[in-house]
Amino acid sequence: QVQLQESGPGLVKPSETLSLTCDVSGYSIRDGYYWGWIRQPPGKGLEWIGSIYHSGSTYYNPSLKSRVTLSVDTSKNQFSMKLTSVTAADTAVYYCARRTFYYGSGSAPDYWGQGTLVTVSS
Amino acid sequence: QSALTQPAFVSGSPGQSITISCTGTSSDIGAYNYVSWFQQHPGKAPKLIISDVTNRPSGISNRFSGSKSGNTASLTISGLQAEDEGDYYCSSYTSSISLVVFGGGTKLTVL
Repeated sequence: QVQLQESGPGLVKPSETLSLTCDVSGYSIRDGYYWGWIRQPPGKGLEWIGSIYHSGSTYYNPSLKSRVTLSVDTSKNQFSMKLTSVTAADTAVYYCARRTFYYGSGSAPDYWGQGTLVTVSS
Repeated sequence: QSALTQPAFVSGSPGQSITISCTGTSSDIGAYNYVSWFQQHPGKAPKLIISDVTNRPSGISNRFSGSKSGNTASLTISGLQAEDEGDYYCSSYTSSISLVVFGGGTKLTVL
């Protein structure tokens, strides 16, 4: 069974960097698919942040591209996200998921982490 | 404002069928069969229920079905059950700079 688990601080100060890691079990990132992040502000809809392949190939939401960096560590079977210069608008539940980029038949986020709430506040 | 347009609210009685629409453009839904649907219950992660416009992942009830016509995709839930109550989101690939877009979500109430 594929499982994903987000980890990282729940509170980040404005202008600082938000860092999250997603640990994957039950599937090797090296075996394929795009992995990535989707966020959901409280009471609002879903927003795609970006996706990364095990090779390091990335795609980013252009509205966040200047502030976000995804990375992958296949030896630990995990991938990570950094979002710089955060503001209150970045307060959201952050989900990591498998198949977060539409690339080939059957592409759609099929396994999700439980989500982690990140609040941006001083 | 979301790139894909969904009705904010939909309701139906147990046993009935309902349809949720998701309207995009010729750059996303109209151009690709990369349309997916997600169900989300309060406090839970979204759950994939439809991929590639019409495909149900393993374990998803056949009461859920997807379709597409032009720039609009639709999710139909037949034989409505109380457990179907929740939020539903559509998503698509887009050839615009955005790459991956979501609808604003539809809240389904089972009366």
